[in-house]
Amino acid sequence: QVQLQESGPGLVKPSQTLSLTCTVSGGSISSGRYYWSWIRQPAGKGLEWIGRIYTSGSTNYNPSLRSRVTISLDTSKNHFSLKLSSVTAADTAVYYCARSPGPGMVRFFDFWGQGTLVAVSS
Amino acid sequence: DIQMTQSPSSLSASVGDRVTITCRASQSIDSYLNWYQQKPGKAPKLLIYAASTLHIGVPSRFSGSGSGTDFTLTISSLQPEDFATYFCQQSYNNFSFGGGTKVEI
Repeated sequence: QVQLQESGPGLVKPSQTLSLTCTVSGGSISSGRYYWSWIRQPAGKGLEWIGRIYTSGSTNYNPSLRSRVTISLDTSKNHFSLKLSSVTAADTAVYYCARSPGPGMVRFFDFWGQGTLVAVSS
Repeated sequence: DIQMTQSPSSLSASVGDRVTITCRASQSIDSYLNWYQQKPGKAPKLLIYAASTLHIGVPSRFSGSGSGTDFTLTISSLQPEDFATYFCQQSYNNFSFGGGTKVEI
């Protein structure tokens, strides 16, 4: 059974860079055909997909966040990471990492991390 | 961007009720529509993918239908563990989610 676990600072200052890591256990991040995504959810609100990285290392980002987002893969540590630059209070949210099978058009998130709350405040 | 609109945003129901939630896409997304259940403080769980295919382990009281722009999630007989928030999500062009429907007593 695949498990995902987010980690990183729970508090980031405005204008700085938010950095999170998602560690995958129960399987190799580089085996199989999977996409690895970041998704966020402000308190009491809906879900927003941030971006994803494929096993090969190719990435896709939400156009609304593309200029500030970088997602990378570290196969030696079996984890993938998110960097979101120039954060503001609007970036305060619970951040989830998730897996989706791929490639193909039928794309869903079948395994999720438990989520980590990141607050942007001075 | 494809906008996903769910209705209602919340509903009150009782155990045993039949519940229907609607999701509408701003353009045709064929059948690239998934449904998730989320309980407070927890990550979403996949219920249905490709509009009508039940994910492994999901009870058969859940069903999905629709194609193009209009989709529905139906719970045939609401159980106590089904009180939660439900989200639809399209995968036709990147990913976007509906605003959620909270099912409460």
